[in-house]
Amino acid sequence: LAKTTQPISMDSYEGQEVNITCSHNNIATNDYITWYQQFPSQGPRFIIQGYKTKVTNEVASLFIPADRKSSTLSLPRVSLSDTAVYYCLVGDLNTPLVFGKGTRLSVIA
Amino acid sequence: SAVISQKPSRDICQRGTSLTIQCQVDSQVTMMFWYRQQPGQSLTLIATANQGSEATYESGFVIDKFPISRPNLTFSTLTVSNMSPEDSSIYLCSVGSFRGQGMGTDTQYFGPGTRLTVL
Repeated sequence: LAKTTQPISMDSYEGQEVNITCSHNNIATNDYITWYQQFPSQGPRFIIQGYKTKVTNEVASLFIPADRKSSTLSLPRVSLSDTAVYYCLVGDLNTPLVFGKGTRLSVIA
Repeated sequence: SAVISQKPSRDICQRGTSLTIQCQVDSQVTMMFWYRQQPGQSLTLIATANQGSEATYESGFVIDKFPISRPNLTFSTLTVSNMSPEDSSIYLCSVGSFRGQGMGTDTQYFGPGTRLTVL
């Protein structure tokens, strides 16, 4: 399984765009990149998933360069309610997700 | 997406006892997973539970300590046996939406978790 590296923590002010970058140098051909969000005392919630280039949904955008060795989760105009831990996961969709340490995002008023 | 419920939502138990956690899904799924999240830590996969076969445990987890049942495609239980304070964690059930199951994006969905405290 590809190992992922992401910042342990980030701070942002409300209304700003937040970009969280994840490194996954050993990503395999069959691997997808998936991001989850977890609030305290809740299970992780799926945010976005991609294989290459750019993916956008109503919550976030995911940018994946051509070599796929990294990815960036972009959260537009964050609010206090976006304070959470964000996990970057890389893996074959036919195997269970393996979680790394995640990035603790704190949004400040 | 799948709706997953777990019972109990939380419990406080005495050491040496056992607790069975239930996971119910609102649709039939082939693959179910159990994770543990220790305080302040990330999630760790305990085992994969497929209906009709024995659960597959990850390194560091054994069936005697964490027996799992999977009687049908919408239900599973995880038992934490002979508990010690080190078992205090949140236990999460997850279901997989893999290619062909038609649950939307191929990924996993998680239940709300069961917060276990062992005294």
